[in-house]
Amino acid sequence: KQEVTQIPAALSVPEGENLVLNCSFTDSAIYNLQWFRQDPGKGLTSLLLIQSSQREQTSGRLNASLDKSSGRSTLYIAASQPGDSATYLCAVRPDAGGTSYGKLTFGQGTILTVHP
Amino acid sequence: NAGVTQTPKFRILKIGQSMTLQCTQDMNHNYMYWYRQDPGMGLKLIYYSVGAGITDKGEVPNGYNVSRSTTEDFPLRLELAAPSQTSVYFCASSYHQPNTIYFGEGSWLTVV
Repeated sequence: KQEVTQIPAALSVPEGENLVLNCSFTDSAIYNLQWFRQDPGKGLTSLLLIQSSQREQTSGRLNASLDKSSGRSTLYIAASQPGDSATYLCAVRPDAGGTSYGKLTFGQGTILTVHP
Repeated sequence: NAGVTQTPKFRILKIGQSMTLQCTQDMNHNYMYWYRQDPGMGLKLIYYSVGAGITDKGEVPNGYNVSRSTTEDFPLRLELAAPSQTSVYFCASSYHQPNTIYFGEGSWLTVV
């Protein structure tokens, strides 16, 4: 059974710092990995999606990497801002052909606080 | 662009009551999902649907039922509510090749 773990559980940094969030998964047979952002009282917003054949994806100040063989992904946030404060979740989709659909396995999330 | 819309946003139920969480999407997505999120935890899949008339169980289906009579709507039914069903419920949808998944804003349910 796939298990996804995110470290740290919470992180507090001053504005302007570069930071790294970690995600590890136990079964390397994945189709893709997604990073989501969740604001308090809101749903999840997809930030980056990395296919199993890719090594990284970038969007603005965000960079996500994937090392499938070691079961790890990192989300790098450059020049953090108070508006980045949110919970960040990673989720993996199993590589089960066309039957895996949206059967994502989520980590428990990292609560990020960026203070001015 | 409404995306995925869930109602109600908040609800308090008594033990043994039943209710339906409504979910509708306007993106013509084939795939729809219901997840629950317990405090400090990730999301767990309750049920999913790959198209109208087709539904299947996810990881935690006990105590819930779903139907998918149209592409747009995917209601989640709670029968005989129990305190263990206190959670935040998220509906989501995606295209036939589920890459990016779009989530609703959640429904907070408390069973007392």
